[in-house]
Amino acid sequence: ETGVTQSPTHLIKTRGQQVTLRCSSQSGHNTVSWYQQALGQGPQFIFQYYREEENGRGNFPPRFSGLQFPNYSSELNVNALELDDSALYLCASSTGGDQIETQYFGPGTRLLVL
Amino acid sequence: QKEVEQNSGPLSVPEGAIASLNCTYSDRGSQSFFWYRQYSGKSPELIMFIYSNGDKEDGRFTAQLNKASQYVSLLIRDSQPSDSATYLCAVDTTTDSWGKFQFGAGTQVVVTP
Repeated sequence: ETGVTQSPTHLIKTRGQQVTLRCSSQSGHNTVSWYQQALGQGPQFIFQYYREEENGRGNFPPRFSGLQFPNYSSELNVNALELDDSALYLCASSTGGDQIETQYFGPGTRLLVL
Repeated sequence: QKEVEQNSGPLSVPEGAIASLNCTYSDRGSQSFFWYRQYSGKSPELIMFIYSNGDKEDGRFTAQLNKASQYVSLLIRDSQPSDSATYLCAVDTTTDSWGKFQFGAGTQVVVTP
């Protein structure tokens, strides 16, 4: 177990809706990164938060947004859902500020958009 | 052009044999390299990382890094049926802020009894 939890485990939404996914990092881990993993693909970096500030973003549109809270929890929000947003969403926590940033993944949230 | 490339497999390996997985990357500024194992329907779990040229061993696993050739590999010795999974290569490409991994698509390994 990595000590990283995510909720919910599964979610079904319809196109155009909004969704909020949650992650709780390991205690002491100041950095959380979110990834999207489509079926048969490797995870793709969405964005990273370090000490409650966005600290880098991958090639995802602004309708993907996030928050990080002081209690090591974070959220990924996706507005105006599209069918292609169906994927496994992973959060990964790390200590932050180290050159070797080992990331530990949560179990993921599987999102299906109909 | 994909920045991290892996053979998709499946790589079929007899039980007890050595599985050899390869990964190439395009960014010469890449600093550290990670191997994750992902069972079907589960999230990736860290096997090991490497950041210096050469070999690094951890139990039955050995990672090999050649920065000049932009190549990293993973060897699994004495393969077991429980090693059947998809193996993801992850590369940390940034130097100003770490931890934004680029992943390959993964290599599926099937260990046959």
